[in-house]
Amino acid sequence: TQLLEQSPQFLSIQEGENLTVYCNSSSVFSSLQWYRQEPGEGPVLLVTVVTGGEVKKLKRLTFQFGDARKDSSLHITAAQPGDTGLYLCAGPPMEYGNKLVFGAGTILRVKS
Amino acid sequence: NAGVTQTPKFRVLKTGQSMTLLCAQDMNHEYMYWYRQDPGMGLRLIHYSVGEGTTAKGEVPDGYNVSRLKKQNFLLGLESAAPSQTSVYFCASSRLGSFQPQHFGDGTRLSIL
Repeated sequence: TQLLEQSPQFLSIQEGENLTVYCNSSSVFSSLQWYRQEPGEGPVLLVTVVTGGEVKKLKRLTFQFGDARKDSSLHITAAQPGDTGLYLCAGPPMEYGNKLVFGAGTILRVKS
Repeated sequence: NAGVTQTPKFRVLKTGQSMTLLCAQDMNHEYMYWYRQDPGMGLRLIHYSVGEGTTAKGEVPDGYNVSRLKKQNFLLGLESAAPSQTSVYFCASSRLGSFQPQHFGDGTRLSIL
């Protein structure tokens, strides 16, 4: 059982559609990070959310950290083929210090 | 601006062989990490280091050893490779402090036959 559960595991949508990816845990996290990974490359940080209830926007991407700091979501508006990739949430549980645990990831495919 | 560089990019080993994966970072980061990435399981921490000369075990350390003799380099060793160690290995580095992002290399794809 993963400490961070991501859903859905796979998402295939048409260009222009909206989507939401979820990252849930029973543990409290001091922060949560979202990374995007393309084939053959390492993950690249998109955003870090720190405060419970925090909302951050990055162009068409909106990230939210749950009030209890146990969950987060990533919403993409009007998805484009360039958004295709693996989206990973990660964070340090309160008892882990600075070590990150990662969710299994959501594979997003946006078709033109 | 190289960031985090991993070598080699691909390798095929036979069961029982040994090898060392190399990771170098040019960002003067204190922390360095080794992960393995397997389908459906995300990234799992193997070992990490909080500074030159120090290492610690992560979530899945068995069968691996590491060394950090220089601040910029972090080596991952497999003493006797097993098929279960077939995976993609990622090295990452980060600054000291909370909420710091990790910077990843492009990975080493390792197959054990």
